[in-house]
Amino acid sequence: DAKTTQPPSMDCAEGRAANLPCNHSTISGNEYVYWYRQIHSQGPQYIIHGLKNNETNEMASLIITEDRKSSTLILPHATLRDTAVYYCIVRVGDYGQNFVFGPGTRLSVLP
Amino acid sequence: GAGVSQSPSNKVTEKGKDVELRCDPISGHTALYWYRQSLGQGLEFLIYFQGNSAPDKSGLPSDRFSAERTGGSVSTLTIQRTQQEDSAVYLCASSLPPYGELFFGEGSRLTVL
Repeated sequence: DAKTTQPPSMDCAEGRAANLPCNHSTISGNEYVYWYRQIHSQGPQYIIHGLKNNETNEMASLIITEDRKSSTLILPHATLRDTAVYYCIVRVGDYGQNFVFGPGTRLSVLP
Repeated sequence: GAGVSQSPSNKVTEKGKDVELRCDPISGHTALYWYRQSLGQGLEFLIYFQGNSAPDKSGLPSDRFSAERTGGSVSTLTIQRTQQEDSAVYLCASSLPPYGELFFGEGSRLTVL
């Protein structure tokens, strides 16, 4: 099964870009990379996903390396409300249905 | 409904009692997931359903835990003879296969005294 590794914690100054890395060196060719975040006491929230091309939406950008062994989630202008645990997930399972959450990265946005 | 709905939002029970937790997924979402999150911990996968069938039950921690889904919609997670270590937030999510993202409910917080 593909697994991910993320740093346990990161700090970012408010208003600056937050760059959260994720390694997934055993990813298969048809597996997508998903990012979620969990703000304290709430259910996880979808952020973005991609296969091999870089993706951008209203929340964030996702940069996937050409060999797909790692990716970076970018929050372009972090705010205090972005303080959360961020999970990088690679879909595993026969039909690509299982979502296995690792420990994630705890991002603290500092004033 | 507009989102994933879980009930009850909070449940306090005595050790040894049975509890049922309910999840009502987003209409049309055929995949449904149950996770458990203990205080300060990450998400622990329990089980997922595709329609009414559960191809992966590997995450259920013991035979006291069971889940069912009927009509391809509502799911119930049942914990028999609850123990204090079962205390956690139980999260439900649904998605639209094959690669739809997960939408989570707000969870059911279970406290076993």
